[in-house]
Amino acid sequence: GEEVAQTPKHLVRGEGQKAKLYCAPIKGHSYVFWYQQVLKNEFKFLISFQNENVFDETGMPKERFSAKCLPNSPCSLEIQATKLEDSAVYFCASSHPTGSSYNEQFFGPGTRLTVL
Amino acid sequence: QKEVEQNSGPLSVPEGAIASLNCTYSDRGSQSFFWYRQYSGKSPELIMFIYSNGDKEDGRFTAQLNKASQYVSLLIRDSQPSDSATYLCAVGLNTGFQKLVFGTGTRLLVSP
Repeated sequence: GEEVAQTPKHLVRGEGQKAKLYCAPIKGHSYVFWYQQVLKNEFKFLISFQNENVFDETGMPKERFSAKCLPNSPCSLEIQATKLEDSAVYFCASSHPTGSSYNEQFFGPGTRLTVL
Repeated sequence: QKEVEQNSGPLSVPEGAIASLNCTYSDRGSQSFFWYRQYSGKSPELIMFIYSNGDKEDGRFTAQLNKASQYVSLLIRDSQPSDSATYLCAVGLNTGFQKLVFGTGTRLLVSP
């Protein structure tokens, strides 16, 4: 598609439950990024993919967070055993090679996760 | 020291005025600079990017970059009430498909 798609829009989980978020990048875009936006607009980078390969995972809390981008499937971000502090909006962004060496990232509408 | 700093505002300007938004960054090796607009409850929307020192104009928007001072700015001419939003400065540390580091944004209010 022409836009980054994210599902679901809203997700409510009890503390300790699992949460799974999905992202379909813009068609033709080979890079996918996941960011977490918490209060006061603080964006935290989580992980990025080049096609199905992890490109940069320096922001991932690995003990509970995992992510995948498999061929012909939406990318996913999974949180095992959610905690209250995981409550945030999770944005997916995609980017593609244009011939320049820089990347403009286009964001999806986000998934608002509320952990109770 | 935060990696990317912005004044949180709000910056209030009357309709038709020029709004000036500023951003400083700490990593001298930063290569790419982006301005996103985010309306409340919505996703960031890319409005400008700049990679080289100097000015870059696109319609009512002008981005300015000074790498020596580690400073990026966004000017919005003829501000409209619809420009009222939070403006996020984002910095890419290297060339290529790197993560962006975001400032916490400046809230702009344009009054009719």
